Amino acid sequence: GAGVSQSPSNKVTEKGKDVELRCDPISGHTALYWYRQRLGQGLEFLIYFQGNSAPDKSGLPSDRFSAERTGESVSTLTIQRTQQEDSAVYLCASSLDRGNFYEQYFGPGTRLTVT
Amino acid sequence: AQSVTQPDIHITVSEGASLELRCNYSYGATPYLFWYVQSPGQGLQLLLKYFSGDTLVQGIKGFEAEFKRSQSSFNLRKPSVHWSDAAEYFCAVGAVGEKLTFGTGTRLTIIP
Repeated sequence: GAGVSQSPSNKVTEKGKDVELRCDPISGHTALYWYRQRLGQGLEFLIYFQGNSAPDKSGLPSDRFSAERTGESVSTLTIQRTQQEDSAVYLCASSLDRGNFYEQYFGPGTRLTVT
Repeated sequence: AQSVTQPDIHITVSEGASLELRCNYSYGATPYLFWYVQSPGQGLQLLLKYFSGDTLVQGIKGFEAEFKRSQSSFNLRKPSVHWSDAAEYFCAVGAVGEKLTFGTGTRLTIIP
């Protein structure tokens, strides 16, 4: 079946503009995660959705970052008033319900460049 | 709080040589441990995972890893590397239904 997809694959934006990144998880996966990967660094957790539970937003770096997910479908990560330090690859992952041993399946990422 | 340390930022090995990538973790309970590989321009792919049972786990592409509770380690090994193994490798720790905590990665370069 189809894997996790993300769009756009690349985004170049000017400082101060808002951007919206999209993630389509694997069908049936109730959990969805967003991570940020800065150049040469590991993955930084941003936010986690699990079904209809309140999302875990503990990783969002500032109030300029927000994310939404409707049910168990697509998620969007929005960055308002982008800054140059927001330049990174944004990775989305999805997994099965928390009640089971799980494996996170990652999308190819969106490379965001803020000029 | 959980954490993962990958002490080697960059490793270079010759094609055909053996490989060991180190991973140490800190976790309050029995950890679930993972190794992911990220090829250039690609997303992360799961190589192997440990949840319980046999402490030596086999993964894809000929990789294996051994969980050593006494050393809080989960090192990744491969007996003979191929040029296609050149990539970034990430160790991660987590629990069911929780976010993963990733190490900073080890970049593997293969020389002929």
